[in-house]
Amino acid sequence: DTEVTQTPKHLVMGMTNKKSLKCEQHMGHRAMYWYKQKAKKPPELMFVYSYEKLSINESVPSRFSPECPNSSLLNLHLHALQPEDSALYLCASSQDPGAGSEQFFGPGTRLTVL
Amino acid sequence: QQPVQSPQAVILREGEDAVINCSSSKALYSVHWYRQKHGEAPVFLMILLKGGEQKGHEKISASFNEKKQQSSLYLTASQLSYSGTYFCGSGPYYGGSQGNLIFGKGTKLSVKP
Repeated sequence: DTEVTQTPKHLVMGMTNKKSLKCEQHMGHRAMYWYKQKAKKPPELMFVYSYEKLSINESVPSRFSPECPNSSLLNLHLHALQPEDSALYLCASSQDPGAGSEQFFGPGTRLTVL
Repeated sequence: QQPVQSPQAVILREGEDAVINCSSSKALYSVHWYRQKHGEAPVFLMILLKGGEQKGHEKISASFNEKKQQSSLYLTASQLSYSGTYFCGSGPYYGGSQGNLIFGKGTKLSVKP
């Protein structure tokens, strides 16, 4: 199984809502990532989990809160978002942390903040 | 430091060849190549590592010049399915440690019949 799954596919939320994005992989990968991608731009790294521990937080606002309940799951909790946070949120995983392993991306969650 | 990709866009006829370049101002441990079709997730194509190891799809070829910190992706006998945006990702090298991927701005490839 070389698949990374993400739910939901689409999400529309108001600025006062709380919602969560979910990501799952069953490849035994030891690193998982959250990226944000705006239209016609490259993915931008938000968070890296290495062996279930948060290893990188790329100065992401606290309204985004990641969580790694176990080695297969990664969540991104959203609270009090702004319209400019509307984007495609991609989850990825790799065998090992760092740039020495290829990353497998999930299909993404298309988030719209009203 | 974000790697620089060139060209920004290229239009091909089926069967033509293309080269996409990626250069970094920093020492690299690896270069990754991904293709993203509209509305879809990026798909891994190739990884090239410091020291010469590389892994990827059989029909894709790429080069990595460690000294120049440059990589090129070679697309030969292009097919309609090759259309999409190609991203290179630079894996920085910090004196024995690997950093995380930084993606270039992308090259939009369109293959016409």
